[in-house]
Amino acid sequence: EAAVTQSPRNKVAVTGGKVTLSCNQTNNHNNMYWYRQDTGHGLRLIHYSYGAGSTEKGDIPDGYKASRPSQENFSLILELATPSQTSVYFCASGDGGAYAEQFFGPGTRLTVL
Amino acid sequence: QQKVQQSPESLSVPEGGMASLNCTSSDRNFQYFWWYRQHSGEGPKALMSIFSDGDKKEGRFTAHLNKASLHVSLHIRDSQPSDSALYFCAASGDTNAYKVIFGKGTHLHVLP
Repeated sequence: EAAVTQSPRNKVAVTGGKVTLSCNQTNNHNNMYWYRQDTGHGLRLIHYSYGAGSTEKGDIPDGYKASRPSQENFSLILELATPSQTSVYFCASGDGGAYAEQFFGPGTRLTVL
Repeated sequence: QQKVQQSPESLSVPEGGMASLNCTSSDRNFQYFWWYRQHSGEGPKALMSIFSDGDKKEGRFTAHLNKASLHVSLHIRDSQPSDSALYFCAASGDTNAYKVIFGKGTHLHVLP
């Protein structure tokens, strides 16, 4: 089974600070995704990547950057964190294509004070 | 407007009962469906996919897809307390094969 890990699992940041959330997958999937989950909104796509060196904007990219330095790693970067970015963030990976299953990590709970 | 809409928001069924969850895509570019389940404190995990018209059965879970109306349902028979979770419908399509749209989810509570 695909293994997706995220770090840190919990993070408290200050407004205006920089936050980096990391994701690693060990199943050699081409596609990786970053979502945030908020009550009443479900899962919303922030950024995604279809291979090393590529990043694409999802539905809510404002205030976020992404980096895919390798097949295994995909980071989400908040350059200037705001309280509205307090959320649970999930990373996922998949083989790609319209039919592909996504494998999710355990999530990172981010609180911005 | 949410492209993938789920109903109901919350559902309670007795142990051993049947749970029925619904999902509709409003965009014909998103016509392939997955159901995901998320237990509290965990990441979502795929339950089953359905890409063709009709029914697909996997154990106690049956999905039904009507491609003309882009409506998909998930039926859980003999519901167990361990089925209590948040269920997401997810849709994808050929236009942008990398992108998946999730609904807001249905909270299922199975009462012992």
